[in-house]
Amino acid sequence: DTGVSQDPRHKITKRGQNVTFRCDPISEHNRLYWYRQTLGQGPEFLTYFQNEAQLEKSRLLSDRFSAERPKGSFSTLEIQRTEQGDSAMYLCASSPRTGGFIGELFFGEGSRLTVL
Amino acid sequence: TQLLEQSPQFLSIQEGENLTVYCNSSSVFSSLQWYRQEPGEGPVLLVTVVTGGEVKKLKRLTFQFGDARKDSSLHITAAQPGDTGLYLCAGVVGARTYKYIFGTGTRLKVLA
Repeated sequence: DTGVSQDPRHKITKRGQNVTFRCDPISEHNRLYWYRQTLGQGPEFLTYFQNEAQLEKSRLLSDRFSAERPKGSFSTLEIQRTEQGDSAMYLCASSPRTGGFIGELFFGEGSRLTVL
Repeated sequence: TQLLEQSPQFLSIQEGENLTVYCNSSSVFSSLQWYRQEPGEGPVLLVTVVTGGEVKKLKRLTFQFGDARKDSSLHITAAQPGDTGLYLCAGVVGARTYKYIFGTGTRLKVLA
């Protein structure tokens, strides 16, 4: 397994357009996370899944953001009607079953979004 | 809103110096982790601490979890240019969640 894979790595779009990012986690990792990170700052939690269930979603997200993990494997993050403030790095991470203990987050290299 | 505040925000030091990074919160964390992130890459786990007062050492890095599990510190001895990066603490609040909250980050630059 080559790790967490994110696509596309870079996306430039015009304000008002919709964008979708895909994340392929490490196989058999049951938890998958989405974070947003701006330059020099810590990642900001967006949402996480356990298998196909979306367990938590940040209150900071507006209705323009949606995430899915339909079969408990890959996940997509869609941003509708993009705004310049959405420009950031979108990070995906996965984590294995840990039997109740806190496990390691394995991150992808991120998808950088630039909204013009 | 970030629950974990890190200090300092930026640190530029000479090779061989020692440094400490702090991670503070008003919330109690069931566990806390430290990650390092290099440009263009995702964060990579350095350590996990779970017990109040716990101290872990990883070569030149020493991690401590506060007794009340609200704060943590990372101490680097004899810093090297390879230590350069963004250091992030991350915590989980509560017992029935796997929601990781990241700190504000400390950008470290070690000059040769």
